[in-house]
Amino acid sequence: GQNIDQPTEMTATEGAIVQINCTYQTSGFNGLFWYQQHAGEAPTFLSYNVLDGLEEKGRFSSFLSRSKGYSYLLLKELQMKDSASYLCAVRDGSGYSTLTFGKGTMLLVSP
Amino acid sequence: DTAVSQTPKYLVTQMGNDKSIKCEQNLGHDTMYWYKQDSKKFLKIMFSYNNKELIINETVPNRFSPKSPDKAHLNLHINSLELGDSAVYFCASSQDITGGNTIYFGEGSWLTVV
Repeated sequence: GQNIDQPTEMTATEGAIVQINCTYQTSGFNGLFWYQQHAGEAPTFLSYNVLDGLEEKGRFSSFLSRSKGYSYLLLKELQMKDSASYLCAVRDGSGYSTLTFGKGTMLLVSP
Repeated sequence: DTAVSQTPKYLVTQMGNDKSIKCEQNLGHDTMYWYKQDSKKFLKIMFSYNNKELIINETVPNRFSPKSPDKAHLNLHINSLELGDSAVYFCASSQDITGGNTIYFGEGSWLTVV
């Protein structure tokens, strides 16, 4: 089976840095994705990690440790528009592209 | 141009009715999906199609029947709607069925069963 855990909610202040953690237990592993979902909208792709280490993309970075079954999404210089749900998703080792999602972390950025 | 488009965006219907949600992607992708997001915002795979063929069918009641007339379209038909079917249904697509491909989501269809 698959199990993906991430905190339900987090709060942070504009301009700050926040780290959203995700731990997973899956049948095999073929990549980890982070998606952002604003209320009432579709999830949009943020990052993809398949090898250990840090992937940086502007204000957002994502880290993966396959041995620990652990990832985090780092958001720097937070803006109000970053208030959204952040979904951790894992592709298992079946060879198929289907993603299994965690329940999402609702991030609230305050002034 | 919208890459993955689905209609209708909002649908309110009574228990027992039959309804369909249509999805089209103009990305030239081979693989399409239906995901369901419940009231707790949990996004869960329902079906996956590759080149019009059913690849993955999760534990979904057989009242839900996907149909793929061609690889650019994947429609979802729901029979005998129940209150618990109220959710947001997201259509999505990816280049192909293999790993490493990003999945792109449509805007979602908000279904409310009353």
